[in-house]
Order: sequence, then C-alpha cells, then structure tokens
Amino acid sequence: NAGVTQTPKFQVLKTGQSMTLQCAQDMNHNSMYWYRQDPGMGLRLIYYSASEGTTDKGEVPNGYNVSRLNKREFSLRLESAAPSQTSVYFCASRVFRLAGKSSYNEQFFGPGTRLTVL
Amino acid sequence: KNQVEQSPQSLIILEGKNCTLQCNYTVSPFSNLRWYKQDTGRGPVSLTIMTFSENTKSNGRYTATLDADTKQSSLHITASQLSDSASYICVVSGSGGGADGLTFGKGTHLIIQP
Repeated sequence: NAGVTQTPKFQVLKTGQSMTLQCAQDMNHNSMYWYRQDPGMGLRLIYYSASEGTTDKGEVPNGYNVSRLNKREFSLRLESAAPSQTSVYFCASRVFRLAGKSSYNEQFFGPGTRLTVL
Repeated sequence: KNQVEQSPQSLIILEGKNCTLQCNYTVSPFSNLRWYKQDTGRGPVSLTIMTFSENTKSNGRYTATLDADTKQSSLHITASQLSDSASYICVVSGSGGGADGLTFGKGTHLIIQP
C-alpha cells in the first residue's frame, strides 16, 4: 500500500515549456486534490476532484489544468510555465470517516514535486 | 475571512525539552482541527484530528488541545527528539473554508538542537 505517489520529484523548466505532474493513490479514495506550497504561505488549493469524472477550481487555478484519468489518478498540467509557478506541488486524497457521533474527512498527502521555472 | 494563525513562526529548543505550539482560528462554522507534521522535503503527515466535541487528543509524545469557545488550539511536544525537527501545520475544517473546506496555517518551523 503505497498511499499517494507523485512523479517527478524534481523538475526544472524554462519559461513557456509545458509539463504534466502525475499523482496516483491506491487507497480507493473518491476525492483528490492539488496544492501548491510557497515559502511563508500556507498550502493553497489549485484544483480538486470530488469524484471520478468531476473536477473543480480551487483558490489559485490560473495557468493550470487537471485531468481525473480514473479513480486512482489525478494529473496537473502546466501548459505554458511561468516563473511564478515555481513552487512545491502536493497531491492529496481524502476519505470520509466516522468517529463515534462525529465525522470528518481525513486527508493524505503525497511526497511532493519541487518545480523550478527559469 | 477565515484565517488560521500559528505562533511562533519558528522555534529552536534543546533535545529533551518540552514545547508548545499555538494555533488561533476564525473559521466558522467549525467542523474539526488537524495538526500535521511536515519533514523537510516531504508531504504533511497527520498527527491528530479533533472534532468540535473533543478538547484533547494524544499521539505518542504529541498532545493537542482544543478550546472551541476561544477558537484556540495548542500542540504540546514532550521530551523532544531530533526527529521532531519539522514544520507543524494547523488546518481547520469548516464549511466557510476553501473549496476543499480547509483553511491552512502557515506553519511553525521547529528545530531541535542536540
């Protein structure tokens, strides 16, 4: 059980190049998410997929596209990379849990992709 | 606007000492609060999740407390170890959060010195 996996771990792009970040989870979770993490800032949501076949914009979607290929895989694409997209990108999946009389969503994060755009 | 404020921004303590990290939030309505540990170069890993009906939860040497009335939480680390060096992120869940229902703090960067 690998949890959430991401490829590549590191990537350097030139301005204007395109690339796709891959994410997969083997926990049979319905919901998947893409975040970016920048120094001095909290994690910010780029896009998410509540279930297979659906995708929605998050807080910072501009310059990105996503594809929910199947239940396991959720990819993030940069069509024309810009230096402002230099960041660490995290994929996450989420499962709904019951705890006594309460319920909550538990989120699992991947190891991240460190992207530099020159 | 929903916010999660963490303090201190960074903290250095000696191995074996205790420390307490703070989290104040304005997310409303509140559903639950999570503490994550993020090692350098890794993704965040959940330490504790507390719903509105819980006011304390432990995970080994980590103990989180929640005061839903004052909208404050703390994470206490007992007998710190070098492996505790990491960033600790407070995340609050509520319907007033982002599209994912979550509001993230910026984290506290903790360094344990031998």
